[in-house]
Amino acid sequence: GAGVSQSPRYKVAKRGQDVALRCDPISGHVSLFWYQQALGQGPEFLTYFQNEAQLDKSGLPSDRFFAERPEGSVSTLKIQRTQQEDSAVYLCASSLKWENDYGYTFGSGTRLTVV
Amino acid sequence: AQSVTQPDIHITVSEGASLELRCNYSYGATPYLFWYVQSPGQGLQLLLKYFSGDTLVQGIKGFEAEFKRSQSSFNLRKPSVHWSDAAEYFCAVAPIKAAGNKLTFGGGTRVLVKP
Repeated sequence: GAGVSQSPRYKVAKRGQDVALRCDPISGHVSLFWYQQALGQGPEFLTYFQNEAQLDKSGLPSDRFFAERPEGSVSTLKIQRTQQEDSAVYLCASSLKWENDYGYTFGSGTRLTVV
Repeated sequence: AQSVTQPDIHITVSEGASLELRCNYSYGATPYLFWYVQSPGQGLQLLLKYFSGDTLVQGIKGFEAEFKRSQSSFNLRKPSVHWSDAAEYFCAVAPIKAAGNKLTFGGGTRVLVKP
């Protein structure tokens, strides 16, 4: 597609449930990022992939968060045993190159609400 | 650690009036600097970026920003605001020549435009 696609757009989960959020980057984009945006705050970095390799996961808040990109295209962010503090918009971004051009394209995000 | 401060949480401006959004950063060295805009339910769109050179940067939608090294600031301006400029604006920084290309965002400034 022409842009970065994220699904679902909205997800309501009961506390303790596992969720999986999907990101379809722009075809051919090498770099892929996940950011978490809590209500009223700026996005915060979670993790970064270059092709299928997860090169930086320093922003993942706990071991309940797990991300993968097994074939270097689609990525999934999984949150196990969701907690209320996980409620946020999860943004995915992709970039054609891995080097420093910062030419990101962001998706519209998945809004996760944990009740 | 790097940080980005946007002192104004909300700004209300009349249509046709000028707009200035403030951004200050704390960083070990001059980083790359960015302004993004986020409309409701949308992803982040890049307005402009500063890497080096002329400290006055022109962006899309009639926006410009000025980098002032002595003040560690990168303020965004628009001479005449349109109703469609109502959105949330984020300043961001990123390290120069570092792997991972991750952005550090400020908390955002929400702009309301009065008719």
